[in-house]
Amino acid sequence: GAGVSQSPRYKVAKRGQDVALRCDPISGHVSLFWYQQALGQGPEFLTYFQNEAQLDKSGLPSDRFFAERPEGSVSTLKIQRTQQEDSAVYLCASSLADNSPLHFGNGTRLTVT
Amino acid sequence: AQSVSQHNHHVILSEAASLELGCNYSYGGTVNLFWYVQYPGQHLQLLLKYFSGDPLVKGIKGFEAEFIKSKFSFNLRKPSVQWSDTAEYFCAGGYYQKVTFGTGTKLQVIP
Repeated sequence: GAGVSQSPRYKVAKRGQDVALRCDPISGHVSLFWYQQALGQGPEFLTYFQNEAQLDKSGLPSDRFFAERPEGSVSTLKIQRTQQEDSAVYLCASSLADNSPLHFGNGTRLTVT
Repeated sequence: AQSVSQHNHHVILSEAASLELGCNYSYGGTVNLFWYVQYPGQHLQLLLKYFSGDPLVKGIKGFEAEFIKSKFSFNLRKPSVQWSDTAEYFCAGGYYQKVTFGTGTKLQVIP
């Protein structure tokens, strides 16, 4: 597609529910990233894939967060047993290759009540 | 730890005023630096980037930034802002794929 697509745009979850956030990167982009952006903050790195390989997951805040990209294109960020502090905008970005600029999606705004 | 700091959280300017947004980074060695912009209701997009070479880099829409290694700074500038420049601006830096973002500066341009 023309850009990075994320769904849903908005998600409201009750505390304790599991959520799954989807990212469709730009076709042909090797690298895919997930960022978390809390209100009033800049995006914080969560994890990075090169094709289907998750090369860096050092930013995932807890073992409740899990990301996958099984076929090297679409990626899913899953959050289990959501907590209020998980409320944020989750941004996906893709890039053509190492050190290429990031192309961001519009993000998924997650609100945990 | 690698970090990027932006000191101006909210800037209000009149059209045609000059703009300078501050950005400082704390990295050793080679660093890649970026400015991203987020217009209201839109996604983050790249304004300009510095990897190496000429420390004065020019980006889209008349923006430029200067990398000053001795000051660990990468300030964003524009000689004359327009109402359409109203947006949030993020400085970012990092190695390879792990890019760290600053907290952002909201720019409001008054017609």
